[in-house]
Amino acid sequence: RKEVEQDPGPFNVPEGATVAFNCTYSNSASQSFFWYRQDCRKEPKLLMSVYSSGNEDGRFTAQLNRASQYISLLIRDSKLSDSATYLCVVNFPLNYGQNFVFGPGTRLSVLP
Amino acid sequence: DGGITQSPKYLFRKEGQNVTLSCEQNLNHDAMYWYRQDPGQGLRLIYYSQIVNDFQKGDIAEGYSVSREKKESFPLTVTSAQKNPTAFYLCASKRSHYSNQPQHFGDGTRLSIL
Repeated sequence: RKEVEQDPGPFNVPEGATVAFNCTYSNSASQSFFWYRQDCRKEPKLLMSVYSSGNEDGRFTAQLNRASQYISLLIRDSKLSDSATYLCVVNFPLNYGQNFVFGPGTRLSVLP
Repeated sequence: DGGITQSPKYLFRKEGQNVTLSCEQNLNHDAMYWYRQDPGQGLRLIYYSQIVNDFQKGDIAEGYSVSREKKESFPLTVTSAQKNPTAFYLCASKRSHYSNQPQHFGDGTRLSIL
């Protein structure tokens, strides 16, 4: 059974706060993971790819815990422009090729 | 600039009508995908194509059809059999279906019923 679950949210945080989202996945064979950002009524845009234990890009850090099958996204020093829905995407490798499964998303609102 | 172009941005369908959504990419990607997104929900896979002249059903293919006659193009037809077509439709591509690289998305088509 393919499944990717995310913190339901919404997360409402003040500017400058640190916020973390979790994403759990059901397939222990998954090898690659992605965080996308989706603004209201727009397409998802790639924020970060994770192929090993984690990745860091400026204020954003993704950490992978293979034993517990979850991946987290940490945002430090939140900006108003970080307000969006964050989608967790997990690769479920299947016999016929890779199969990306999207989580339902976690909505973040950064408040002034 | 390389990218994925979806058209139109907004589309209205009458009862009993088939409509076709366009997706074109100039990234030289072999694999292309169509997703549907309903309000407050995640993306669900409709159809995908690993290579030209090939396509496979995704999780919610009923009421939809596709073709892949050219590498650059992967149009989606929403048929009259799709009783609840109102949604945001997203096209994506990546270099190879077997690659673990991320997908790139077009900017979507919003379909509504008249």
